[in-house]
Amino acid sequence: DTGVSQNPRHKITKRGQNVTFRCDPISEHNRLYWYRQTLGQGPEFLTYFQNEAQLEKSRLLSDRFSAERPKGSFSTLEIQRTEQGDSAMYLCASSFNLLGQGDGYTFGSGTRLTVV
Amino acid sequence: KNEVEQSPQNLTAQEGEFITINCSYSVGISALHWLQQHPGGGIVSLFMLSSGKKKHGRLIATINIQEKHSSLHITASHPRDSAVYICAVRSASGAGSYQLTFGKGTKLSVIP
Repeated sequence: DTGVSQNPRHKITKRGQNVTFRCDPISEHNRLYWYRQTLGQGPEFLTYFQNEAQLEKSRLLSDRFSAERPKGSFSTLEIQRTEQGDSAMYLCASSFNLLGQGDGYTFGSGTRLTVV
Repeated sequence: KNEVEQSPQNLTAQEGEFITINCSYSVGISALHWLQQHPGGGIVSLFMLSSGKKKHGRLIATINIQEKHSSLHITASHPRDSAVYICAVRSASGAGSYQLTFGKGTKLSVIP
């Protein structure tokens, strides 16, 4: 297993277009997270899956954003009608629970989206 | 006010210096993570701790739960340590609080 894989690494799109990102987590990890990071800021939580169930969504996740994890393995994050403010690094992470110690996280390398 | 505050925001050090990065948080937590982010975006998990102290090579992380404070120390710093170091916490409240809340990061530059 090579860790958490995200594709594509970079995406440039025109405003108004739809984009889709993919995340392949570590196979043993049942939890998958999407975060968004803008320049000079720490990542911000977008949404979280446990297996195929989407259990939490941030208020940052507007109606134009949708995430799926259909078989409890890989996940996709789609942004419809992209806006310039969507330009950011989109990070995926997966985790498993270490009993009594919280989640051990592994992050992907991220997908950098630029909306022009 | 951000729930997770890091200091300093920027740090420049000479190679070989001992470095300390601080993290304070305002909520009860179940775990605290120290992460390293290099230019290009990839994040590497350095430590996850809920009490005490952990050491890995030249890196040491400590946490004081009562004071809601953690520190990351780098001994004998090297230019390859140059990166952004991020503190992140997992809230202790509620069964669904699995996401992390991040600080803004500390940008470290180690000069040869």
